[in-house]
Formats: sequence, structure tokens, C-alpha cells
Amino acid sequence: DVKVTQSSRYLVKRTGEKVFLECVQDMDHENMFWYRQDPGLGLRLIYFSYDVKMKEKGDIPEGYSVSREKKERFSLILESASTNQTSMYLCASSLSFLYTQYFGPGTRLTVL
Amino acid sequence: SQQGEEDPQALSIQEGENATMNCSYKTSINNLQWYRQNSGRGLVHLILIRSNEREKHSGRLRVTLDTSKKSSSLLITASRAADTASYFCATDHRDNYGQNFVFGPGTRLSVLP
Repeated sequence: DVKVTQSSRYLVKRTGEKVFLECVQDMDHENMFWYRQDPGLGLRLIYFSYDVKMKEKGDIPEGYSVSREKKERFSLILESASTNQTSMYLCASSLSFLYTQYFGPGTRLTVL
Repeated sequence: SQQGEEDPQALSIQEGENATMNCSYKTSINNLQWYRQNSGRGLVHLILIRSNEREKHSGRLRVTLDTSKKSSSLLITASRAADTASYFCATDHRDNYGQNFVFGPGTRLSVLP
């Protein structure tokens, strides 16, 4: 079974802090994704990566950056956290871009 | 409405009844997927239907796709309390900026014992 893990289930940070969210998948998938999920808005794609060191902006990339130095690891970075970035962050991976995505358990980030 | 929008937003049924959720989308797609999310957890893939397919089954799940109406439905038969979750449809979406993956806001299903 595909396993996608995220570094933290719950995280509390202060405004202005730099935040790293890490995601690791163990199935050699090419594609990895970062979403945020907010009530009533569903999942919104922040960034995705289709290969090591390659990244593409999703629908809401502002205020975020990503890093993919190794195939199995995709990091989401909040350079200067703000309260409107309080959300559930979900990472996913897939073998092919248009097909089944496998999700991690999510990180609930609160920015005070 | 946004690409990939589920209807209804919330649904409450008794155990044993069937649950039907709908998804509408705006642009042409390659495939449509349904996912389930238990409270506070990640999403789990349920079923994928390609644009050239009209119906697909998986256990108690039945998905239909009508590309002429740009809509899909997910039917859960003989529902159980364990089916209580949020259900999302997801579509691939191509625009001038490239290809993207879009989830709808979801349908919250409550199955009452």
C-alpha cells in the first residue's frame, strides 16, 4: 500500500514565523501535491511537483513556496506565517498526474 | 459555480438507505474521481471514471458520468454508519495556464443508526 506521511498532525506557530511542512511518500511516485482545506471551500491546490526540483503553481501559491530535492520528499514552506494561513494542509502523491492521488493524514496548522 | 461542485452540501439518511451525491463541472475532463474523507483525516480514493465511460461499480458504490451534462453521481447502496464522511469529486482541468486538479467543496454524509 502507498504510504504518505506528513511531519506533524498539529502545529501552532506565531505570525511571522517560518514554517516547514514535510511530506514523504514511499511508492516512488513522480507527482506530489500540496493542498489546503478550509470549510466550505474544499481542497485548493497550492503547488505540485512532477519531478525532482520541478514545481508548478496551483490555484493559491501566494505566501507559499515548495522544495523537492528528493523524489520521495516534498516540502511546503510558509516564509512568514500569517493568521489567514491557519488551515488543514494535505499532501498527496500520484504515479501519473491525472490519476489516483494518495493522501497523507493532514497537518492542522494554527497561526496565532 | 466552481469546477467540480458537489450537491447536496449535506445529506442525512438512515442506515440501510441509499445515498446519492452529485457533482457538476464546467470544462471538459479526462477523468473524474470520487474521494472520501473521514473527519479530520486525509482523503481516500474511491473510484475513477474516465471521460469515455458512463458507469462504473465498486462494491456498494456506483458512479455515473454524463459528459453532455457535465455531471456525475455517486450512489452508495445499503449505507452503513461507517459511511459517514465527506465525499469529494475531483476533476482534471485545463486552462490557459496548464493542467490542474480541482476538488469540489464536498458533500457531508451522515448515516444514522
